[in-house]
Amino acid sequence: NAGVTQTPKFQVLKTGQSMTLQCAQDMNHNSMYWYRQDPGMGLRLIYYSASEGTTDKGEVPNGYNVSRLNKREFSLRLESAAPSQTSVYFCASSEAAGLYEQYFGPGTRLTVT
Amino acid sequence: QKEVEQDPGPLSVPEGAIVSLNCTYSNSAFQYFMWYRQYSRKGPELLMYTYSSGNKEDGRFTAQVDKSSKYISLFIRDSQPSDSATYLCASHTGGFKTIFGAGTRLFVKA
Repeated sequence: NAGVTQTPKFQVLKTGQSMTLQCAQDMNHNSMYWYRQDPGMGLRLIYYSASEGTTDKGEVPNGYNVSRLNKREFSLRLESAAPSQTSVYFCASSEAAGLYEQYFGPGTRLTVT
Repeated sequence: QKEVEQDPGPLSVPEGAIVSLNCTYSNSAFQYFMWYRQYSRKGPELLMYTYSSGNKEDGRFTAQVDKSSKYISLFIRDSQPSDSATYLCASHTGGFKTIFGAGTRLFVKA
């Protein structure tokens, strides 16, 4: 039981390049989330998927797109990377909203030069 | 102003001390309050989860919520070096949008 897995662990991009961050969970959770974590800012929600087939914007969605590929997988795409997107990205999943724990992956460290 | 404010620290205490970590929030609609622990270069993991006001205890950890003053606290008794981590408070209204504080770095010295 791996929980939440993320690939890649590290990535360096040049400004304007695109990439997709992958996330998968094996806990049969309905809901999945993408966060970014920056020093002094805490975790901020980028997008979430309440259930398979739905996605919604969080606090900081600009510059990102997401795809809920199936119940297990939720990807985050940067179409044209900018230095302001340098951050640590975390994927999380939960059974549902409300009083349900979010389980986090190990993170992807992204640097945009 | 951020909806959840947290002193970033760092906070350094000797082993065995009682640690008090605090947050304030501004959204009166918040009903769910959480504390996450994050070790260096790892993802956050849930420590405590409370609904509405009151106290909740789990081993050496006690979470306290005072909705009248919009204050969230985490107390750690008999602190250990293994408690050294960043502690994140978080809140939400019952939906999917959790708001996190910036985190407080705690160091427990042996």
